[in-house]
Amino acid sequence: DQQVKQNSPSLSVQEGRISILNCDYTNSMFDYFLWYKKYPAEGPTFLISISSIKDKNEDGRFTVFLNKSAKHLSLHIVPSQPGDSAVYFCAASARTGANNLFFGTGTRLTVIP
Amino acid sequence: DVKVTQSSRYLVKRTGEKVFLECVQDMDHENMFWYRQDPGLGLRLIYFSYDVKMKEKGDIPEGYSVSREKKERFSLILESASTNQTSMYLCASSGAGYRDDTGELFFGEGSRLTVL
Repeated sequence: DQQVKQNSPSLSVQEGRISILNCDYTNSMFDYFLWYKKYPAEGPTFLISISSIKDKNEDGRFTVFLNKSAKHLSLHIVPSQPGDSAVYFCAASARTGANNLFFGTGTRLTVIP
Repeated sequence: DVKVTQSSRYLVKRTGEKVFLECVQDMDHENMFWYRQDPGLGLRLIYFSYDVKMKEKGDIPEGYSVSREKKERFSLILESASTNQTSMYLCASSGAGYRDDTGELFFGEGSRLTVL
């Protein structure tokens, strides 16, 4: 049972435009959310996170939005660059629960020059 | 710089062979994890360990075992490899009280295992 879902397996965006990657979750106990970026043949690297006490967190070109009522979060990349082409994983945890991150299935972003 | 090192980037094994995947971290982290990544399935947790000699099953522990004899080293063992264990295996570690400010896991580069 997938508790974290990324329904778009792939996304293509023109360089300079906005990329929006979406993630939905089902477990209302999740209170911390992270995005990881993964290049081929490399391990995932942490990108940005957000606590459930916030609805937005920004770091440079990357912004994560959290809508708790909809159990939905999104990652915005503005402006998109070719180097952003990678697989992006959404992850969630319940800080008072098990010592575990639940990952989505990933979205492959391609930024077209 | 933070470092999680996996011993083998690519392995090819035969069905029934015993496989060891080694992972070492140099950050003095308490928690270590083994995930596998498969297309369309994302990252799934196999086992994790929050202390030396401690281990907990993740979502898909069947067919795997782990060993943590030293804080910095976490090994994944496939007692008898099968073709459905062909996958990318990712080791990760995190700091004390996983409940730190970022909840960040630091990943190794992965070990791609092919079982023939």
